[in-house]
Amino acid sequence: EAQVTQNPRYLITVTGKKLTVTCSQNMNHEYMSWYRQDPGLGLRQIYYSMNVEVTDKGDVPEGYKVSRKEKRNFPLILESPSPNQTSLYFCASSLYFRAGVGRDTQYFGPGTRLTVL
Amino acid sequence: DAKTTQPNSMESNEEEPVHLPCNHSTISGTDYIHWYRQLPSQGPEYVIHGLTSNVNNRMASLAIAEDRKSSTLILHRATLRDAAVYYCILSSGTYKYIFGTGTRLKVLA
Repeated sequence: EAQVTQNPRYLITVTGKKLTVTCSQNMNHEYMSWYRQDPGLGLRQIYYSMNVEVTDKGDVPEGYKVSRKEKRNFPLILESPSPNQTSLYFCASSLYFRAGVGRDTQYFGPGTRLTVL
Repeated sequence: DAKTTQPNSMESNEEEPVHLPCNHSTISGTDYIHWYRQLPSQGPEYVIHGLTSNVNNRMASLAIAEDRKSSTLILHRATLRDAAVYYCILSSGTYKYIFGTGTRLKVLA
């Protein structure tokens, strides 16, 4: 089944304890992205990756890191989490992305609810 | 980056058509208009997209104004399962997506 998976689905941690949220897709998609969703603010893009070893900042990248060593995986790293990073996180992927031409459909994962105490 | 404006919420009766508006007055000539929806406790899912002409698929129709400064997502017969937050998104000309806060659709039985 074609899908985007995220792990863990739920995580409670403490301030400063490094964590990684994994994202994997089995559709051979080039483009992958991370979003956070907060009440009243909608979905905001954190980082995106156009292909392996190519990543760039979205609108809210502060406090996050990403890497894209393999096409299928795009982990989100919080080196020193803080309470303001408590949020619902979504990973998404699409077959390809061509700026100025149009975008292919994005497929979203089920979400990771992170609480930082 | 081009932005969109949507009403915060709308209501519809079951089995009736729903017209969800979106304003995007700063759209550029190469920006596509995309619609996604997010059902409760799920990630967003694709609904439809278009550039200039109206588009239809099994889920919905997209009507794009002639000047492209607004668009309307049309659900032909709303069901209770269509209750969701609907997002209108423009391609920004870069690799970014800007979702905004969307329209919460409530469907009344």
